Amino acid sequence: QQQVKQSPQSLIVQKGGISIINCAYENTAFDYFPWYQQFPGKGPALLIAIRPDVSEKKEGRFTISFNKSAKQFSLHIMDSQPGDSATYFCAASFTGGGNKLTFGTGTQLKVEL
Amino acid sequence: EAEVAQSPRYKITEKSQAVAFWCDPISGHATLYWYRQILGQGPELLVQFQDESVVDDSQLPKDRFSAERLKGVDSTLKIQPAELGDSAMYLCASSRNGQANTEAFFGQGTRLTVV
Repeated sequence: QQQVKQSPQSLIVQKGGISIINCAYENTAFDYFPWYQQFPGKGPALLIAIRPDVSEKKEGRFTISFNKSAKQFSLHIMDSQPGDSATYFCAASFTGGGNKLTFGTGTQLKVEL
Repeated sequence: EAEVAQSPRYKITEKSQAVAFWCDPISGHATLYWYRQILGQGPELLVQFQDESVVDDSQLPKDRFSAERLKGVDSTLKIQPAELGDSAMYLCASSRNGQANTEAFFGQGTRLTVV
């Protein structure tokens, strides 16, 4: 059962533009929502994470927006750069779940010059 | 910078053969995870260890997959016999503990191709 749905599957953005990736979850027990960045041939690396007690978290050019009532969260990449070209995964876990991450299906981002 | 080490990076094996992957977590990390990532999909947890004990193997196909972490440090994931559908990236991750919201660090993975 897929519990975290991610869209779009792929995304092309011009350099300097804003990249937006969306995720929706079903399990209301989830209380931790990280985003991972994965480059080809590498394992996923934590980018930024949020808990549902806040609606937004910003770290540099990366922002997570969280809508608890809609059970949705999104990643915004401001001033997108070619070096941001990678696959991005949203994920979720819950207290008591042993830190098990449930991942979305991934978004392949390409930032063009 | 400490990293999760995995070997081999790539493995090609014939259907019905046995294959094994090795993982060395970041020193001091008590919790170790094996994830499987099928091409075009997100990683899916296969098994989670807390020290040497299995705490979650609900998604591990136990008829052919086995995992161990005998001394609570490095770990081995084995598949016997391998099937065509096992072709995937096998990722190992570790975290300081198994508490929620603890950052998990991933290795570079082993890409398995079953022919």
